[in-house]
Amino acid sequence: RKEVEQDPGPFNVPEGATVAFNCTYSNSASQSFFWYRQDCRKEPKLLMSVYSSGNEDGRFTAQLNRASQYISLLIRDSKLSDSATYLCVVTSTGGGNKLTFGTGTQLKVEL
Amino acid sequence: GAVVSQHPSWVICKSGTSVKIECRSLDFQATTMFWYRQFPKQSLMLMATSNEGSKATYEQGVEKDKFLINHASLTLSTLTVTSAHPEDSSFYICSADPGDRGHHEQYFGPGTRLTVT
Repeated sequence: RKEVEQDPGPFNVPEGATVAFNCTYSNSASQSFFWYRQDCRKEPKLLMSVYSSGNEDGRFTAQLNRASQYISLLIRDSKLSDSATYLCVVTSTGGGNKLTFGTGTQLKVEL
Repeated sequence: GAVVSQHPSWVICKSGTSVKIECRSLDFQATTMFWYRQFPKQSLMLMATSNEGSKATYEQGVEKDKFLINHASLTLSTLTVTSAHPEDSSFYICSADPGDRGHHEQYFGPGTRLTVT
């Protein structure tokens, strides 16, 4: 079983739609959780950290359910510029600052 | 702030040659840098953790003699792919950890696309 699992997509949605991505992680001892965004042939960029209480940043809302080992990202009013691959990232079983990346979920926002 | 540069952006080399990739933190000191590799349609895979002034820690399955890492200063880490082969063609990305933040945030370089012919 992969340490971080995501549905690869692609998800094709119309502009203005609300879309949600899910991610599960296998190690209950994982400490930190993030969503990164990666554009084609570019490096990943931090979108937001994910906290147990849930957090929101503009049109983006992230949730963490430690009991279910489940992380979600909600994008409201999606824009064409939101088209990218969204990576679920957790600190690895080795601890410290080692990040483990999911394979990513591809989002395509269309007119 | 928190800019990480990587050079070169892309490189094409012949099989059997060695290629060096540089990763620099431009506006902060990085006690730890990480090297990742990403094959098409796959996730980033951590290759090694580079600590300034000490030997790198390699992930399982990564050959330390093939992927030489040097972290000579708090702002520079280099990855040398020795005797490159076509299967080493990949997107190599470094990241840097300032080490002075409460959370585990890393800042990524723009990546180096290596093609071995």
